[in-house]
Amino acid sequence: EIVMTQSPATLSVSPGERATLSCRASQSVNNNLAWYQHKPGQAPRLLVYGASTRATGVPSRFSGSGSGTEFTLTISSLQSEDFAVYHCQQHKNWPYTFGRGTKLEI
Amino acid sequence: QVQLQESGPGLVKPSGTLSLSCTVSGGSLRNTHWWTWVRQPPGRGLEWIGEIYQSGYTNYNPSLKSRVAISIDKSNNQFSLNLSSVTAADTAVYYCARGVGGGNYFDYWGQGALVTVSS
Repeated sequence: EIVMTQSPATLSVSPGERATLSCRASQSVNNNLAWYQHKPGQAPRLLVYGASTRATGVPSRFSGSGSGTEFTLTISSLQSEDFAVYHCQQHKNWPYTFGRGTKLEI
Repeated sequence: QVQLQESGPGLVKPSGTLSLSCTVSGGSLRNTHWWTWVRQPPGRGLEWIGEIYQSGYTNYNPSLKSRVAISIDKSNNQFSLNLSSVTAADTAVYYCARGVGGGNYFDYWGQGALVTVSS
């Protein structure tokens, strides 16, 4: 199976700053990469699929990039509601696999 | 707005069977989507368990395939997860989700159900 590795495990950023989260795949997934935002006690929220396509209703400050094995989620100007855990997921091959998440904290 | 809600026992004994249901509202299981189960053990990442299509066709994670069964009840707009021979390693928050793009990524999720395996 494809192993997804996210870095860093925790990222400390101030509101208004830019955050850059990384995700690496153990083999190429082309552009079949999704990002989710996950807050405690809530359902995960799809942010990006196809590496760079924002899901419906996702603010433009969230942007995904990359292809092959290296991917990035950038949040251009952090808002208070953005502090959460972010997961990446490859959607190229079964079994679909996720990274262990990056916790974005103030 | 599509909503999913997991339900089932929060405590299962070792060697028993974990059974959860997911009720879908605001959408039909007869649509062209894959209906999925994902879990997150404490302190670990998300793990895809498996999925079912409206036809009943299923795909499972090979690591769980010998113990898992997913079924669908279109008349009640529910799909279900059965995981047999559970151990403490199966303790996790279990999520149901809707797969899109051919079932590959997940646009709607339930809030999750914590299931603890303990005697």
